[in-house]
Amino acid sequence: DSGVTQTPKHLITATGQRVTLRCSPRSGDLSVYWYQQSLDQGLQFLIQYYNGEERAKGNILERFSAQQFPDLHSELNLSSLELGDSALYFCASSVAKKANTGELFFGEGSRLTVL
Amino acid sequence: DAKTTQPPSMDCAEGRAANLPCNHSTISGNEYVYWYRQIHSQGPQYIIHGLKNNETNEMASLIITEDRKSSTLILPHATLRDTAVYYCIVNRDIQGAQKLVFGQGTRLTINP
Repeated sequence: DSGVTQTPKHLITATGQRVTLRCSPRSGDLSVYWYQQSLDQGLQFLIQYYNGEERAKGNILERFSAQQFPDLHSELNLSSLELGDSALYFCASSVAKKANTGELFFGEGSRLTVL
Repeated sequence: DAKTTQPPSMDCAEGRAANLPCNHSTISGNEYVYWYRQIHSQGPQYIIHGLKNNETNEMASLIITEDRKSSTLILPHATLRDTAVYYCIVNRDIQGAQKLVFGQGTRLTINP
């Protein structure tokens, strides 16, 4: 158990819909990261937040957005869903602002299926 | 960030040392080498990281060549539970921003 909690674990929805994935980081961790893993793309970095502020952006689509709240939990919003958005979405957290002072702790992921 | 090259798959016998190579010939002086693994569809798990010196922890050892262009992750006594995809990543801190870029990794199979 990494201490990072993601909900829901599984989600099935239809094209065109909108979903929200939630992540609670480990206690004390200020940084939250979102990753997408699909069968053909591998693990893709989406976005990082540190203490409520966006810190780094990766291959995140404009239809996707994220935020980190004052209690440090984070949400990833996916809208106008397409079949290709079906994937595992991982959240990770770390205590450090500086990248190389520690490890990332990953949650168990939210599996999104778009039909 | 520097790109890494890893063999797509490897096999190792249970109880033997598993040596996983990684090439990162374009690594910069301030880039660290990280290793993570992912068992089936679970979240990736941190193993170890280093800059220049060799590192060891309870899970593994990391050997980085003197020119830092390659490294080897060593699992000293592999067990069946070590079967996973292993990712070698190079990363540097840019004003607190970190975006670990995962490649395709090496699928390690431990055989009984």
